[in-house]
Amino acid sequence: SQQGEEDPQALSIQEGENATMNCSYKTSINNLQWYRQNSGRGLVHLILIRSNEREKHSGRLRVTLDTSKKSSSLLITASRAADTASYFCATAANSGYSTLTFGKGTMLLVSP
Amino acid sequence: GAVVSQHPSRVICKSGTSVKIECRSLDFQATTMFWYRQFPKQSLMLMATSNEGSKATYEQGVEKDKFLINHASLTLSTLTVTSAHPEDSSFYICSARQGAQAFFGQGTRLTVV
Repeated sequence: SQQGEEDPQALSIQEGENATMNCSYKTSINNLQWYRQNSGRGLVHLILIRSNEREKHSGRLRVTLDTSKKSSSLLITASRAADTASYFCATAANSGYSTLTFGKGTMLLVSP
Repeated sequence: GAVVSQHPSRVICKSGTSVKIECRSLDFQATTMFWYRQFPKQSLMLMATSNEGSKATYEQGVEKDKFLINHASLTLSTLTVTSAHPEDSSFYICSARQGAQAFFGQGTRLTVV
């Protein structure tokens, strides 16, 4: 079953602007991951943040995790048209081979 | 990173026929693979966990006899949609874990006519 909600459900911005997406979850987690999905394609792993971490960076991506609020945010800086995709957060209950529980996703549209 | 290959990417079949979807881990061994279903503009819903050498674990509400899963080797899991109906039309995605990170196949768009 789905863990929680992402907001916004859809986000439309101009190239060069920053995009922020939020994810909330309900149960305790070992880690939280963000994935990207282009229309009609599989998912691509973007970044993983563990429950004992608060912030992580990867290129133009910045992820925060607040375990007290059971929420995470994904910031994409200086967005490009190629960033247009759906973005999903997924939580894992443990560090092993547990299943991932996905949020509902945010559809990001970056206009040139 | 690791690569998971899923085949076919698109398939159209007639009602009542069966369709097999393959999921291969190309450069690593995967004792566990996962099968998801995704409806348009929705999230991924886990259907079942495929375990090499043993029976798959199905999520509640997923019919075992309709969605047959076979994980015969450490690099291959197959999902067979049996006696397909139009309501089975969907996007099916497999994934395999390597450590904490999951790698996904390209997905299969199934259309049952």
